[in-house]
Amino acid sequence: DQQVKQNSPSLSVQEGRISILNCDYTNSMFDYFLWYKKYPAEGPTFLISISSIKDKNEDGRFTVFLNKSAKHLSLHIVPSQPGDSAVYFCAASANDYKLSFGAGTTVTVRA
Amino acid sequence: DSGVTQTPKHLITATGQRVTLRCSPRSGDLSVYWYQQSLDQGLQFLIHYYNGEERAKGNILERFSAQQFPDLHSELNLSSLELGDSALYFCASSSRTDQETQYFGPGTRLLVL
Repeated sequence: DQQVKQNSPSLSVQEGRISILNCDYTNSMFDYFLWYKKYPAEGPTFLISISSIKDKNEDGRFTVFLNKSAKHLSLHIVPSQPGDSAVYFCAASANDYKLSFGAGTTVTVRA
Repeated sequence: DSGVTQTPKHLITATGQRVTLRCSPRSGDLSVYWYQQSLDQGLQFLIHYYNGEERAKGNILERFSAQQFPDLHSELNLSSLELGDSALYFCASSSRTDQETQYFGPGTRLLVL
């Protein structure tokens, strides 16, 4: 049972433009959300997180938005750079530190 | 580099065999988590240890077991291996002050032939 869903398997964006990645979840007990970036043959790298008591968190070029009523979160990357080309995973936990992951979205930044 | 180390990087073995995957957490982290990434299941939580004690289990098979030692490194033991156990196995760790954020190691790629 997939509790975290990333419905877009891929995203192509031009360098300098905004990348918007979406994630939906079904478990209302989730209270902490994270985004990870993964290159081939490497482990996931933590990017940014948000607690359920907030609706926005920003760190440099990365901003995560949380809409609890819609059970939806998104990651905005502005501006997109070639080094951002990777697989991005959304993850969530319910105060038990067991991360549930989405299937990932492959981002390709075009020059 | 997350500071989490995993060995070996690659492992090729045969069905029915047993293997041990090793993980060293970031310096100072007490929590260790194990995840499996297979092609059809994505990243799945297996088990969580905190300071030597098991804290939570996911859908971990009975053929799999883990432990965390006094020096905080952890081992994941996989026995009676089947073809379907071929996957990437990741270890992650988190700190006492921020247990929510997990930092992942580079993974061990297991191929069962």
